[in-house]
Amino acid sequence: ETGVTQTPRHLVMGMTNKKSLKCEQHLGHNAMYWYKQSAKKPLELMFVYSLEERVENNSVPSRFSPECPNSSHLFLHLHTLQPEDSALYLCASSQEGQGGYEQYFGPGTRLTVT
Amino acid sequence: AQKITQTQPGMFVQEKEAVTLDCTYDTSDPSYGLFWYKQPSSGEMIFLIYQGSYDQQNATEGRYSLNFQKARKSANLVISASQLGDSAMYFCAMREVIPNSGYALNFGKGTSLLVTP
Repeated sequence: ETGVTQTPRHLVMGMTNKKSLKCEQHLGHNAMYWYKQSAKKPLELMFVYSLEERVENNSVPSRFSPECPNSSHLFLHLHTLQPEDSALYLCASSQEGQGGYEQYFGPGTRLTVT
Repeated sequence: AQKITQTQPGMFVQEKEAVTLDCTYDTSDPSYGLFWYKQPSSGEMIFLIYQGSYDQQNATEGRYSLNFQKARKSANLVISASQLGDSAMYFCAMREVIPNSGYALNFGKGTSLLVTP
């Protein structure tokens, strides 16, 4: 595997379900991010992990819970979501301290909450 | 307040022609970075090009170039010799500092580009 991978690619869940999104980066980066992309809206930063510590949560509702067990893996745990949480969830990674800090994205998980 | 502005919701260009996608930004930081990403219908955000605020020359990457006009706070993307595969959403983004931490990207609303035969 190369780059940033995300699973699952598509997820349909009811409002009472609990599910998790997984992200894995194979780039040796030290920072990882979760973004939310809703229709016709700019990407919204949800969470930032730098050196495995959460440094930003950007006022995200508590029904979204991130986990970063190591520098290569990032999870987003979901529970009791609302229909307005339906969106494309993108994971990204970057190497802080080098270059332009460009972020490399995974293919995203398209989430539908019914 | 919105920091990245992309005023063109949609653009058309004929194959093999050049096209410019507009981006203006607002920041009070003397040091910043500007990025362009491409998002095809598959959803993945693909990094295209980066321009640092202190870079003296405009960035270029193959058919992509960034027309950086610092005084005007604009960072337009120029795609030369358009190809059908260039049809996608294009996002301009600016690196912003997270206090006591690292960095994040602030994205514009994007421009949808359609390349026609």
